Amino acid sequence: EDKVVQSPLSLVVHEGDTVTLNCSYEVTNFRSLLWYKQEKKAPTFLFMLTSSGIEKKSGRLSSILDKKELFSILNITATQTGDSAVYLCAVELGNTGKLIFGQGTTLQVKP
Amino acid sequence: KAGVTQTPRYLIKTRGQQVTLSCSPISGHRSVSWYQQTPGQGLQFLFEYFSETQRNKGNFPGRFSGRQFSNSRSEMNVSTLELGDSALYLCASRHGTDSYEQYFGPGTRLTVT
Repeated sequence: EDKVVQSPLSLVVHEGDTVTLNCSYEVTNFRSLLWYKQEKKAPTFLFMLTSSGIEKKSGRLSSILDKKELFSILNITATQTGDSAVYLCAVELGNTGKLIFGQGTTLQVKP
Repeated sequence: KAGVTQTPRYLIKTRGQQVTLSCSPISGHRSVSWYQQTPGQGLQFLFEYFSETQRNKGNFPGRFSGRQFSNSRSEMNVSTLELGDSALYLCASRHGTDSYEQYFGPGTRLTVT
């Protein structure tokens, strides 16, 4: 059965801390891995990764994929209260358009 | 560019009724996927449409159906509503079937009483 597992499920940090969110997967036909941020509304696209070892960066956020070990990490440096959200990891199966989502990691950043 | 839009945003229905949800993709995007999000099951894939054809379907009963129009707008229909159908229904669009990034709309919150 295809599955995506995220850890930790929840995390509380203080502003300025650095956090690392984990996503591991076991799927039959991997095409890409996507990260989203969800704040009580639609998931907002963050990153898409297809190749191992290539880091994607956007401001304080970065992500990398390891296709050999079947996982990805999302790093957030110098966290801010606005980073509080649920972070979702999803894997697309083949070229099907079907995304398998992890449970999400709920991040709370305290002032 | 305007994002993905969904209507209505909120809906309350009674068990046994049917409901139709609408999704307009980002301009130029021709692929639309639908997802159901619940606290217990998370986000689950319903189906994907491209060029008015259903390409793939998730593990949902036949009460869940959809269609896509020539302008790429899509509708999702749920018949004989059950309490367990209460959820946030999200649609996502991408440019084409070769595209990787999927962009989500704000969702329709369906409550079945």
